Amino acid sequence: GNSVTQMEGPVTLSEEAFLTINCTYTATGYPSLFWYVQYPGEGLQLLLKATKADDKGSNKGFEATYRKETTSFHLEKGSVQVSDSAVYFCALSPNQGGKLIFGQGTELSVKP
Amino acid sequence: EPEVTQTPSHQVTQMGQEVILRCVPISNHLYFYWYRQILGQKVEFLVSFYNNEISEKSEIFDDQFSVERPDGSNFTLKIRSTKLEDSAMYFCASSDMDFRGNTIYFGEGSWLTVV
Repeated sequence: GNSVTQMEGPVTLSEEAFLTINCTYTATGYPSLFWYVQYPGEGLQLLLKATKADDKGSNKGFEATYRKETTSFHLEKGSVQVSDSAVYFCALSPNQGGKLIFGQGTELSVKP
Repeated sequence: EPEVTQTPSHQVTQMGQEVILRCVPISNHLYFYWYRQILGQKVEFLVSFYNNEISEKSEIFDDQFSVERPDGSNFTLKIRSTKLEDSAMYFCASSDMDFRGNTIYFGEGSWLTVV
């Protein structure tokens, strides 16, 4: 079946540190991959996406590359800010589209 | 930027009561969804809805749940007889197309507490 596994949180970093949040997936066929972010008190917002192998999604300094050979979609940012503190969700959409399958979420806390 | 809006933001209800959660999807979207997130757990798919009918539902979406699009703008989730384990954040979402890689837009959620 389809599933997503993320590294456990919480992750605590100092401002300007490098961020990696690991995400691996299991899927039949060729899913699309997403990162969603949930800031405190808000809903889920799409951060970035990739629809095929070797695609790189990027937004707001975050990026993730769709790696089919390792079934991974790790989220990275070179220099985090306090305002990046949030919960980050990796998700996949099976190749039929529509439904999203989420990982468990990783809480990021960035300290000044 | 257009957004999905949900009401209420928080509702407390007694076990066994009926609850209706309301959503206004983005206006030109055609596909509508409900997800839920029990505290500390994954966001889980409940149901998708297109062309006035359910297109897919999860095993969570049993006979206690129903969805409706009563007019051109609202999309509702009804829980007929709430149980303690229905306590969760419920997210409404919508998208304009149902193809690979489409972007699904989420509302801010309705937090349901069953006591």
